[in-house]
Amino acid sequence: ETGVTQSPTHLIKTRGQQVTLRCSSQSGHNTVSWYQQALGQGPQFIFQYYREEENGRGNFPPRFSGLQFPNYSSELNVNALELDDSALYLCASSYWASRNEQYFGPGTRLTVT
Amino acid sequence: AQKVTQAQTEISVVEKEDVTLDCVYETRDTTYYLFWYKQPPSGELVFLIRRNSFDEQNEISGRYSWNFQKSTSSFNFTITASQVVDSAVYFCALSETWSNDYKLSFGAGTTVTVRA
Repeated sequence: ETGVTQSPTHLIKTRGQQVTLRCSSQSGHNTVSWYQQALGQGPQFIFQYYREEENGRGNFPPRFSGLQFPNYSSELNVNALELDDSALYLCASSYWASRNEQYFGPGTRLTVT
Repeated sequence: AQKVTQAQTEISVVEKEDVTLDCVYETRDTTYYLFWYKQPPSGELVFLIRRNSFDEQNEISGRYSWNFQKSTSSFNFTITASQVVDSAVYFCALSETWSNDYKLSFGAGTTVTVRA
């Protein structure tokens, strides 16, 4: 059974640029959630995708957007990057029926300069 | 408002000592779930335990045990006979079912250092 994978591992971007982060869910999982974890803090919920539609969103501006594909993989897009967007971005997958039993990937470390 | 509070920022122990991590949560939901996750230096969050609000039975799983008390809104976690490999940041999380996404709300985490 393949676990949750994320790419890239690390990324450095300049303020104002756009970035796309990718996530492949664990085999069989049809729901994907994204979290942002700033240094020294707990993860914060960004949004969740199920059946290729957004199923819930945390307190993040519209420049944070996402996609889910038919194979359940997902992308997180962030436009107009700000310095405060520097964080570890975590993807978690689950079955819809037990969508709070989430299994996390290793994360993507984004640095905005 | 913070839904999950982990008052302990850092705990340092010597190997084989027991470690208890405190977690206090806040919710108006009647059906909710509580979790503990471990985050080693590699960064990946590792699922440890999940309890639902209707099951206050405290259990032991290997070296892990937990104490869930609805009356005080607490969900404490204990590592017995700690080992160096237990060094990590531990997060308590709450999932409320009133929101269709059942999102996880995390505390700020407690850094555990186990010294040999």
